[in-house]
Amino acid sequence: GQNIDQPTEMTATEGAIVQINCTYQTSGFNGLFWYQQHAGEAPTFLSYNVLDGLEEKGRFSSFLSRSKGYSYLLLKELQMKDSASYLCAVMDSNYQLIWGAGTKLIIKP
Amino acid sequence: GAVVSQHPSRVICKSGTSVKIECRSLDFQATTMFWYRQFPKKSLMLMATSNEGSKATYEQGVEKDKFLINHASLTLSTLTVTSAHPEDSSFYICSAREGGRDFNEQFFGPGTRLTVL
Repeated sequence: GQNIDQPTEMTATEGAIVQINCTYQTSGFNGLFWYQQHAGEAPTFLSYNVLDGLEEKGRFSSFLSRSKGYSYLLLKELQMKDSASYLCAVMDSNYQLIWGAGTKLIIKP
Repeated sequence: GAVVSQHPSRVICKSGTSVKIECRSLDFQATTMFWYRQFPKKSLMLMATSNEGSKATYEQGVEKDKFLINHASLTLSTLTVTSAHPEDSSFYICSAREGGRDFNEQFFGPGTRLTVL
């Protein structure tokens, strides 16, 4: 079956760095997405990886290793507004998104 | 960036009534639209995929006669929850994909919170 695993919850301190991991097993691979979702709101796009390596976008970076079925989202200089759920999603061979359950990130002052 | 709107944002209805939710792509043509539902603290669950002008493809376990999807134009898709019951209460989210984009990004609407009494 298809499976996306990510930690349920993480806690970090304002100004620090946090890494949220995601491992996946899917039928085919057409890219991996990271989304941010605040409570009661729809997801917003953060990043997309289809080739191995690191993609940097401001305070957020995303890494992919296709051979390991592994990705991480790195958040730097954490701000209180970064408190949210972070969803990892993989696009399978049918171009459907397979979603992880999300990682709730709690930022403490 | 691409914008997707959803209407209404919140709806409360009585059991047995039908509710229609609209999803619109405001500044692009959405060749494909997706409907998801999300329970509290759970991941998004894909309900169906619709392509403009054709019948929606429903995921396993989703009743197509209960969740009617119409994608009549490249900018509008509707989800109608027929004869709603309390167990249909959920957060419904649509997303749209613009044809021809390099990485098939989906743009999400703000979601509709349905409460069935």
